[in-house]
Amino acid sequence: GAGVSQSPSNKVTEKGKDVELRCDPISGHTALYWYRQSLGQGLEFLIYFQGNSAPDKSGLPSDRFSAERTGGSVSTLTIQRTQQEDSAVYLCASSLRRGRGGELFFGEGSRLTVL
Amino acid sequence: QKEVEQNSGPLSVPEGAIASLNCTYSDRGSQSFFWYRQYSGKSPELIMFIYSNGDKEDGRFTAQLNKASQYVSLLIRDSQPSDSATYLCAVGTSYGKLTFGQGTILTVHP
Repeated sequence: GAGVSQSPSNKVTEKGKDVELRCDPISGHTALYWYRQSLGQGLEFLIYFQGNSAPDKSGLPSDRFSAERTGGSVSTLTIQRTQQEDSAVYLCASSLRRGRGGELFFGEGSRLTVL
Repeated sequence: QKEVEQNSGPLSVPEGAIASLNCTYSDRGSQSFFWYRQYSGKSPELIMFIYSNGDKEDGRFTAQLNKASQYVSLLIRDSQPSDSATYLCAVGTSYGKLTFGQGTILTVHP
């Protein structure tokens, strides 16, 4: 597709379960970002990939969160043993520009609800 | 101190007026500055970017950057009801990380 694709668009899970969120960036975009947005809040940085490596993973809230990117393309964000405070919209974005921070193209997000 | 700070608003302006949105940042090494617009229930979309001190104009939008004061602003001239949204300030480092402020809610009333 032409844009950033995220799946699932909605996920409802029980506390303690593991979830995987997927992001398929725009073809050719080398930079990929994960952000989290809670209701009425700004975007909280989670992790940034350049190619398959993650120069900055400082925003991951705890060791329950992990992310990987393979083939310089698809990325998966995994949350283990989910907690209610993990409920949020998880946004993925990709960018063509390297360095300086370029224009980010966002997906529609994955809304996670932990019961 | 937050890395990127914005007044959360809401900011309410009448149609046709100038809306002024402000943002300050803490990292003096920041190199790139962006304004994103986010409609309710939608993802952010880029409306302006600026890299150098001064003003940059694009249609009804003007971005202003003052690196000495660590301040960036967005002016929207002739505000329209369709401009009603949350405006997010984002600041970039040399290696690409983009940090967002919490956003300012703008309401343009007819």
